[in-house]
Amino acid sequence: EDKVVQSPLSLVVHEGDTVTLNCSYEVTNFRSLLWYKQEKKAPTFLFMLTSSGIEKKSGRLSSILDKKELFSILNITATQTGDSAVYLCAGGGSGGSNYKLTFGKGTLLTVNP
Amino acid sequence: DTGVSQDPRHKITKRGQNVTFRCDPISEHNRLYWYRQTLGQGPEFLTYFQNEAQLEKSRLLSDRFSAERPKGSFSTLEIQRTEQGDSAMYLCASSFGTAIDQPQHFGDGTRLSIL
Repeated sequence: EDKVVQSPLSLVVHEGDTVTLNCSYEVTNFRSLLWYKQEKKAPTFLFMLTSSGIEKKSGRLSSILDKKELFSILNITATQTGDSAVYLCAGGGSGGSNYKLTFGKGTLLTVNP
Repeated sequence: DTGVSQDPRHKITKRGQNVTFRCDPISEHNRLYWYRQTLGQGPEFLTYFQNEAQLEKSRLLSDRFSAERPKGSFSTLEIQRTEQGDSAMYLCASSFGTAIDQPQHFGDGTRLSIL
């Protein structure tokens, strides 16, 4: 059965700190790794990674995938209180015509002023 | 782009009742997904539509659950004879493209509470 494990499950930091969130995956017919940010409502798409070693960046957030070791990290630099959220990692696998996401439990990030 | 819309936002019902949720995907998105999320967990895949065809259902989806997507536009998820364990957030997501691995965009979900 497909599995995605995130660590840590929760993290408390001060504004300005840099954080690294981890995600390991075992996904059948793996195609891509996705990161989402979830506040009180819908998960919001952050990154989709398909190739090893190529960093994707968006402002203070960046992410990289290692397909050999089956993991990904999400970095957030100069954290702000608005970064407080649950960060979800999902492995995308294909089976026939379907593309199914298997999510981890998420990392709850709390950024204190 | 108005985003994925779900209705209702909250549903409270007594055990044994039937409930139906609606999802309107982003316009022209041909793929639509239903997920269930409980507290402290990530979303769990329930079912997937490509246009109007339901192509996969999770083992989580018991016979009490049924989903439709008539004409390949909006979708409905019905739960019959609800049970306490059905209490959860039901999320809908959609994506577009000929390549299957496009990012899925989520709605705000329907929170179901069973009394």
